[in-house]
Amino acid sequence: GENVEQHPSTLSVQEGDSAVIKCTYSDSASNYFPWYKQELGKRPQLIIDIRSNVGEKKDQRIAVTLNKTAKHFSLHITETQPEDSAVYFCAAGITNYGQNFVFGPGTRLSVLP
Amino acid sequence: NAGVTQTPKFRVLKTGQSMTLLCAQDMNHEYMYWYRQDPGMGLRLIHYSVGEGTTAKGEVPDGYNVSRLKKQNFLLGLESAAPSQTSVYFCASSPPGSSGNTIYFGEGSWLTVV
Repeated sequence: GENVEQHPSTLSVQEGDSAVIKCTYSDSASNYFPWYKQELGKRPQLIIDIRSNVGEKKDQRIAVTLNKTAKHFSLHITETQPEDSAVYFCAAGITNYGQNFVFGPGTRLSVLP
Repeated sequence: NAGVTQTPKFRVLKTGQSMTLLCAQDMNHEYMYWYRQDPGMGLRLIHYSVGEGTTAKGEVPDGYNVSRLKKQNFLLGLESAAPSQTSVYFCASSPPGSSGNTIYFGEGSWLTVV
């Protein structure tokens, strides 16, 4: 089955700097890669996703890149702000089969003022 | 449109007690899921359902049972609670197939077993 690793487990950046979180996956059949943000005590919420026919996707200050050959994908946050502080989860799965999503263990991002 | 609603939000159980977590969604989603979240381990799938009347095991099903008698509801049961089941439980739902795979989560249920 799918195995998703995520690094780093914790990340501290100064406000205004960029943050990068990397995930690797094992199942070459996976073709859907979402990122979820979870603020303290809140539910995880989708912030961006990418499908295997796209190498990069951007939405304002966040972007995700995908390298299917190497089986890794990354989340990039530019111009970080204190409200970006949260736990971020990556996941990998097969489109049409939501129950096959496997989540990474999460990265706790702290944006220091 | 409330999305995904879970009850209760907090519960303390004694070892051996039973309880049911209730999940309701008003988005007419076919798929529903129960996850547990433990520190450093992300979200792990307990059970899921691809439609009314169907259920299937996920990654960590032992000690739990589920039922999906109505499309909008997905119940998670603990027959004999154990301290290892202390966790935060998230219910979620998603539409099937090509209409998208975004998973919508409930607000979570904090369960402590003493």
